[in-house]
Amino acid sequence: AQTVTQSQPEMSVQEAETVTLSCTYDTSESDYYLFWYKQPPSRQMILVIRQEAYKQQNATENRFSVNFQKAAKSFSLKISDSQLGDAAMYFCAYRSQPNSGGSNYKLTFGKGTLLTVNP
Amino acid sequence: GAGVSQSPRYKVAKRGQDVALRCDPISGHVSLFWYQQALGQGPEFLTYFQNEAQLDKSGLPSDRFFAERPEGSVSTLKIQRTQQEDSAVYLCASSLGLHEQFFGPGTRLTVL
Repeated sequence: AQTVTQSQPEMSVQEAETVTLSCTYDTSESDYYLFWYKQPPSRQMILVIRQEAYKQQNATENRFSVNFQKAAKSFSLKISDSQLGDAAMYFCAYRSQPNSGGSNYKLTFGKGTLLTVNP
Repeated sequence: GAGVSQSPRYKVAKRGQDVALRCDPISGHVSLFWYQQALGQGPEFLTYFQNEAQLDKSGLPSDRFFAERPEGSVSTLKIQRTQQEDSAVYLCASSLGLHEQFFGPGTRLTVL
């Protein structure tokens, strides 16, 4: 079974600064997907960024980028120019390549990192 | 356009009561997931539907948990004889198969 570990329960950053959230995972699979989700307080979880394991290029979405190290099974999220609205719980998640039976679509989440942005 | 909706948003049950949690996915999304999120934890997979077929129920913690999606749209998660350890936020997500999962706001269940 796959596992996802987020070793930083809490992080804080000054507004306009850069912060990196860590994530490691364990799998024996060679093809899979990795995600970062954001869950603001009392609000719905939304996708921040995703990475396909077969792609060597790191994904980027505006101020959000990842550092994907497949051999090290590491998938960190960098938030540049942090904004007050970035304050939330961030979850790293893993998804297998779906099999022919249509299963394996489920997400496996880490425990999350609570990000505080200080003005 | 409407996103994933869930009802009720909050549910308080006495231990031993049965509860039913509803999920309305985004129209046209064939895949529907249920997750359980305990306080301070990440969501954990419960079950997965592709249209009306329940393809994976490996995450259901006991036979007190039952989910259905009879017409391939709305889904209901039922918990029988609720226990205190069932207290959690229950999240529903839908997707167009391989694409992004869109999450609902969740139902916060408190069992007294």
